[in-house]
Amino acid sequence: ETGVTQSPTHLIKTRGQQVTLRCSSQSGHNTVSWYQQALGQGPQFIFQYYREEENGRGNFPPRFSGLQFPNYSSELNVNALELDDSALYLCASSQERSGTAYEQYFGPGTRLTVT
Amino acid sequence: EDQVTQSPEALRLQEGESSSLNCSYTVSGLRGLFWYRQDPGKGPEFLFTLYSAGEEKEKERLKATLTKKESFLHITAPKPEDSATYLCAVRRRGNAGNMLTFGGGTRLMVKP
Repeated sequence: ETGVTQSPTHLIKTRGQQVTLRCSSQSGHNTVSWYQQALGQGPQFIFQYYREEENGRGNFPPRFSGLQFPNYSSELNVNALELDDSALYLCASSQERSGTAYEQYFGPGTRLTVT
Repeated sequence: EDQVTQSPEALRLQEGESSSLNCSYTVSGLRGLFWYRQDPGKGPEFLFTLYSAGEEKEKERLKATLTKKESFLHITAPKPEDSATYLCAVRRRGNAGNMLTFGGGTRLMVKP
């Protein structure tokens, strides 16, 4: 069974630039969630994708956007990067069915540094 | 708004010295409470899901318990390899999307 993978591992960008992060879900999972984790803090929910549509969003501005593909892989796009966007970006996959809280399995993360 | 508070922020133990980590939560209708372990620079690793007050789950030296207001992660006779940050998260019943609200974590250091 293949776990959640993310690319790239590390990334350095300049303020104002755009970035795309990628995630491959665990085999058999149909849902992808993205989280931002600042240093020393717990992860914060950005949004979730289910059946290629956004299915919930946290308190993040529209310059954070995403996609989910038919093979359940996903992208996180961030436009107009700000210094505060520097963080570990985590992707998590799960097999969602109504009425049950299924655990999410996280990837290793992408460390984004904005200078 | 859902809130999760973990204490202590950091905990230093000697190898073999048992202790407990606390996770206090406020959520309107709990669907599930989750415990994760996170090593530095890596993604969180799933440990347990608890669904209702009174439930307990165990895995090796770890035991998680749940009440209506808090959860405890008990660590029995810890070893240095148990050193990590332990995260607690809740999911509210009926929320759109699988949004987990995390606490700030407890950084555990076990010295030999």
